Amino acid sequence: GQNIDQPTEMTATEGAIVQINCTYQTSGFNGLFWYQQHAGEAPTFLSYNVLDGLEEKGRFSSFLSRSKGYSYLLLKELQMKDSASYLCAVMDSNYQLIWGAGTKLIIKP
Amino acid sequence: GAGVSQTPSNKVTEKGKYVELRCDPISGHTALYWYRQSLGQGPEFLIYFQGTGAADDSGLPNDRFFAVRPEGSVSTLKIQRTERGDSAVYLCASSLTAGGPYEQYFGPGTRLTVT
Repeated sequence: GQNIDQPTEMTATEGAIVQINCTYQTSGFNGLFWYQQHAGEAPTFLSYNVLDGLEEKGRFSSFLSRSKGYSYLLLKELQMKDSASYLCAVMDSNYQLIWGAGTKLIIKP
Repeated sequence: GAGVSQTPSNKVTEKGKYVELRCDPISGHTALYWYRQSLGQGPEFLIYFQGTGAADDSGLPNDRFFAVRPEGSVSTLKIQRTERGDSAVYLCASSLTAGGPYEQYFGPGTRLTVT
């Protein structure tokens, strides 16, 4: 079967760094997406990785290891507005997105 | 430009009633996706369209659910004989096309509550 695992909830301090992990087992792989979703709002795109390695985009970076079925999202210089759920999604062999349940990130002052 | 829009934003209906949820994708996007999301969960795939045709409807839970996209733009998700278990946020997304690693742009969702 297809499975995406990520922690349910994480807490971090404003100004700090946090890493949100995602492991996956899917039928085929055409890339991994990270989306941010604030409570009551739609998911918005953060990053896409299809090759191994680190992709950096401002305060956010995303890493992929295809051999390990593993990705992480790294958030630096945390701000209160980063409090949200972070969704990991893998695009399978049919180019369908398989979604994790999301990690709720709580930022404390 | 305009993003994906969905109407209504909230819908409360009684068990057994029929509901229609509408999605207006980004202009020029040929692929349109319907998901539903329960609290604390990721989006659950229902169906997607490439143009006017339903390319994959394997996520529709049963035959009470049906969706159309007659002119390849606006789509309507139809739910017959609603049940309390249908209560969720129904999300619509569109992308430039399907069959590739294209970003999906989401609408704000319709919160459906079946009483």
